[in-house]
Amino acid sequence: AQSVTQPDIHITVSEGASLELRCNYSYGATPYLFWYVQSPGQGLQLLLKYFSGDTLVQGIKGFEAEFKRSQSSFNLRKPSVHWSDAAEYFCAVGVKDSSYKLIFGSGTRLLVRP
Amino acid sequence: GAGVSQTPSNKVTEKGKYVELRCDPISGHTALYWYRQSLGQGPEFLIYFQGTGAADDSGLPNDRFFAVRPEGSVSTLKIQRTERGDSAVYLCASSPTGTGIHEQYFGPGTRLTVT
Repeated sequence: AQSVTQPDIHITVSEGASLELRCNYSYGATPYLFWYVQSPGQGLQLLLKYFSGDTLVQGIKGFEAEFKRSQSSFNLRKPSVHWSDAAEYFCAVGVKDSSYKLIFGSGTRLLVRP
Repeated sequence: GAGVSQTPSNKVTEKGKYVELRCDPISGHTALYWYRQSLGQGPEFLIYFQGTGAADDSGLPNDRFFAVRPEGSVSTLKIQRTERGDSAVYLCASSPTGTGIHEQYFGPGTRLTVT
């Protein structure tokens, strides 16, 4: 069965420090992968997606993610975190069945120290 | 342009009551999804519409949940005989087409609290 694991429930980083959020997926075929961010009271906003091609993908707000098939991972990175990045981050895999639904991980809450 | 909108933003109801949650997708998007997000969890798929028809309702937890999209635009999620376990944020998303995997655009959600 398809699944997404985000092993870190909370991560705290200092403003200006680098960030890596982990995501592992289980999917039988070539995955379609997404990272979404959710701020309090806001809907989910797409940061970036991987469908095919270059395994290092660039997204909005200075985020990037790298697809590693051998590790079944799609980790999100940012070289220098800003206080406004504090939010909940969700990794998701797109399922190619009758619905093309997304299966989400349980999320990682990012806290930013001033 | 206008994004996905959902009303109400908050709904408090008593156990056993009936509720309706509304989703207005981005204009022209043919695919519409409902997800449910419980506290501390990621969104979980409930139902998918392609046009007017429910193409996949495999995520609906039981027959108290039902959704419609009669004109292929606005959708309503209906919950009968609500239970405290139904308390969650209900998210709606739309996508330009239902063929293939595409970015889904999410609304702000409806927070349902069953007392």
